[in-house]
Amino acid sequence: NAGVTQTPKFQVLKTGQSMTLQCAQDMNHNSMYWYRQDPGMGLRLIYYSASEGTTDKGEVPNGYNVSRLNKREFSLRLESAAPSQTSVYFCASRPGVEQYFGPGTRLTVT
Amino acid sequence: GENVEQHPSTLSVQEGDSAVIKCTYSDSASNYFPWYKQELGKRPQLIIDIRSNVGEKKDQRIAVTLNKTAKHFSLHITETQPEDSAVYFCAEYSGAGSYQLTFGKGTKLSVIP
Repeated sequence: NAGVTQTPKFQVLKTGQSMTLQCAQDMNHNSMYWYRQDPGMGLRLIYYSASEGTTDKGEVPNGYNVSRLNKREFSLRLESAAPSQTSVYFCASRPGVEQYFGPGTRLTVT
Repeated sequence: GENVEQHPSTLSVQEGDSAVIKCTYSDSASNYFPWYKQELGKRPQLIIDIRSNVGEKKDQRIAVTLNKTAKHFSLHITETQPEDSAVYFCAEYSGAGSYQLTFGKGTKLSVIP
């Protein structure tokens, strides 16, 4: 049981490049989340998926898109990366109220 | 939207002393209040949580108290140890129909040996 996994662990992009962050969970959870974490800002919700086939915007969705590919996988896409998207990105899933976080992806946009 | 204020942003204590972190929230419908610990370079991990029908919960050296009337909840760590040094986040969840946790901005706790 791997829990929540994320790939890649680290990524450097140039401004304007695109990329997809991958997240998968093997705990059969319905709800999945993408957060970004910046110094002094806590964890801010980008998008979430309450169940397979549904996605909704969180607090900071601009510049991102998501896909809930199936119950296990929830990806986050940056279509045209900007320096303001330099951050640590965490995926999470939950069965009820407790959220389980992935190990994070550290993204730098130059 | 919902808002969670967390104080202090940084806290230094001597080993063996107690540490208290306080959060206030605005949504009266909130009914679940978790606390997460994040060590440097690691993912946030749940350390304790409390539901709105309970006033206090303890787990060894960690306790959480909830005052629903005043809309605040606090994390108490007693007999602090160097391994308690981390960033702590409070959060609140509004319950049925809401799938979102709202997090505080975090408290960096340093335990000085």
